[in-house]
Amino acid sequence: EDKVVQSPLSLVVHEGDTVTLNCSYEVTNFRSLLWYKQEKKAPTFLFMLTSSGIEKKSGRLSSILDKKELFSILNITATQTGDSAIYLCAVDRGSTLGRLYFGRGTQLTVWP
Amino acid sequence: DAGITQSPRYKITETGRQVTLMCHQTWSHSYMFWYRQDLGHGLRLIYYSAAADITDKGEVPDGYVVSRSKTENFPLTLESATRSQTSVYFCASRLGLGAYEQYFGPGTRLTVT
Repeated sequence: EDKVVQSPLSLVVHEGDTVTLNCSYEVTNFRSLLWYKQEKKAPTFLFMLTSSGIEKKSGRLSSILDKKELFSILNITATQTGDSAIYLCAVDRGSTLGRLYFGRGTQLTVWP
Repeated sequence: DAGITQSPRYKITETGRQVTLMCHQTWSHSYMFWYRQDLGHGLRLIYYSAAADITDKGEVPDGYVVSRSKTENFPLTLESATRSQTSVYFCASRLGLGAYEQYFGPGTRLTVT
């Protein structure tokens, strides 16, 4: 059975801290891994990773994929209260109907 | 550019009633999806579709019906609503396979009393 596991499930930090969110997966025919941010509304896309070792970066957020060890991390440096959200990891296993396999998410709370 | 829209945004209905949630996208994306999101369960896939008239079940399809007669629309029907179907429902679409992300609609909050 395909699995996408995120850890931790929740995390509370103070502004300025650096956080690392984890996503491990066990899927057949891996194609890509995606990260989404969900505030009190619909998830919004952050990154898509397809190759091992290549970091994707956007401002204070960065992510990297390890296809050998089957995991990805999402780093957020100098956290701000606006980073408070659920962060979702999803894997595309290249199925013919284009579905993604989502983890349960990490609830990040950043206190001022 | 409306993107992907859902209606209604909020709905309260009674147990046993039929309810249809609408999803419309203006991008001509081939792939469309319905998820429900509940505390403790994350996003769960209900149904998905690769094109008009091609649909398949996700993890939690029981009690739901979908149709896709036109590429841009993907309605989700609860045939006889139950309290366990109280949830937030997200529609999503994707242009194609490969290096394409999935875009989510704004969601419909459904309460079944």
